[in-house]
Amino acid sequence: AQKITQTQPGMFVQEKEAVTLDCTYDTSDQSYGLFWYKQPSSGEMIFLIYQGSYDEQNATEGRYSLNFQKARKSANLVISASQLGDSAMYFCAMRGPSGGSYIPTFGRGTSLIVHP
Amino acid sequence: DVKVTQSSRYLVKRTGEKVFLECVQDMDHENMFWYRQDPGLGLRLIYFSYDVKMKEKGDIPEGYSVSREKKERFSLILESASTNQTSMYLCASRTQGVGNQPQHFGDGTRLSIL
Repeated sequence: AQKITQTQPGMFVQEKEAVTLDCTYDTSDQSYGLFWYKQPSSGEMIFLIYQGSYDEQNATEGRYSLNFQKARKSANLVISASQLGDSAMYFCAMRGPSGGSYIPTFGRGTSLIVHP
Repeated sequence: DVKVTQSSRYLVKRTGEKVFLECVQDMDHENMFWYRQDPGLGLRLIYFSYDVKMKEKGDIPEGYSVSREKKERFSLILESASTNQTSMYLCASRTQGVGNQPQHFGDGTRLSIL
């Protein structure tokens, strides 16, 4: 069975500073993928970034990067130069195995508040 | 642009009512999902459909059923609503068989059962 753990229920960061949101995972599969989503207070889930287990480089998308440490089974999201609009819930998810139609498993989320 | 539309943002129903939550996607995606989101619990999968008329139970299917008669529409049904089904419900869709593709979500329905 797959499991995603986000140990930080809430995080605070000063505007313009960087912040790291933690995500650890557990799986027995060799091939897997990790997603990060952002959920503002309005409710919609927004896809941010994806990392495949065989990707040699850490994924980056603008101010978002994924610190992927395979041996430690961690896939932390790094947001550089935080903005007030980054205040939201953030969810880490792992895609399931192909035999299971890749059904993803979600963590419980981290609430990020950016202070001016 | 990709669009997943949920029929209601807010819904208030009474205990014992039969409740329908509708979700429509315009991306010709094979896979569709219904999640329930509660504070501190993250997203929990209720049902998954991998094609028309095909469905699989998720982690918490009790008290719910689903219908997928057309590819673009996936309905969640609360057979007899109870107060413990008060929650945020999220619908998502995704293309089939490509593991690195993200899910696309609707805006969510905040359902209150009185």
